[in-house]
Amino acid sequence: GESVGLHLPTLSVQEGDNSIINCAYSNSASDYFIWYKQESGKGPQFIIDIRSNMDKRQGQRVTVLLNKTVKHLSLQIAATQPGDSAVYFCAENRDSGAGSYQLTFGKGTKLSVIP
Amino acid sequence: KAGVTQTPRYLIKTRGQQVTLSCSPISGHRSVSWYQQTPGQGLQFLFEYFSETQRNKGNFPGRFSGRQFSNSRSEMNVSTLELGDSALYLCASGEGRYGYTFGSGTRLTVV
Repeated sequence: GESVGLHLPTLSVQEGDNSIINCAYSNSASDYFIWYKQESGKGPQFIIDIRSNMDKRQGQRVTVLLNKTVKHLSLQIAATQPGDSAVYFCAENRDSGAGSYQLTFGKGTKLSVIP
Repeated sequence: KAGVTQTPRYLIKTRGQQVTLSCSPISGHRSVSWYQQTPGQGLQFLFEYFSETQRNKGNFPGRFSGRQFSNSRSEMNVSTLELGDSALYLCASGEGRYGYTFGSGTRLTVV
């Protein structure tokens, strides 16, 4: 079936190290993906997005890679900081017709940064 | 500009009751989507409203409904509450395909 899922439920990294969070998707027609960060007690916060005509996109300390051949996304966080501790979700923005789109989320990866 | 505002932040209801949650989108945004977040099912799409019309609906029973007003504010209603409806309900405000901003959510507990 169509789904967006994550490979690892938890990830612990040392402060200052780089973090890599992975995501697999199954809908080959998907053309827009978003990474969100969710801190405790808050809603998902946009981190970075990528369209299917790109392989890589960089933001401030974050990079998203898209491999359409194997339907895989990754989020790389450089020099991870304690404030990066949160749950990270990848989401696929699917066309539902009639101009409507809906986000289909993966189950999330909890990132813990060790000081 | 102000973000997405959801009220109330917390609710405790009894089984069988109904509940109404409110979402005020970012000014100028005409699309409002609702999502349910639970530990077991993760984030799931409930429905989307655009210019007062429901444009899309997820796979939830008819007990879940919503509406949108002319000022784009939206409400969702859950009738005949069940224990399994306990969740964080999130509202997302959008101005097109490529921009969604989430509110902090309403935490609903059904006892």
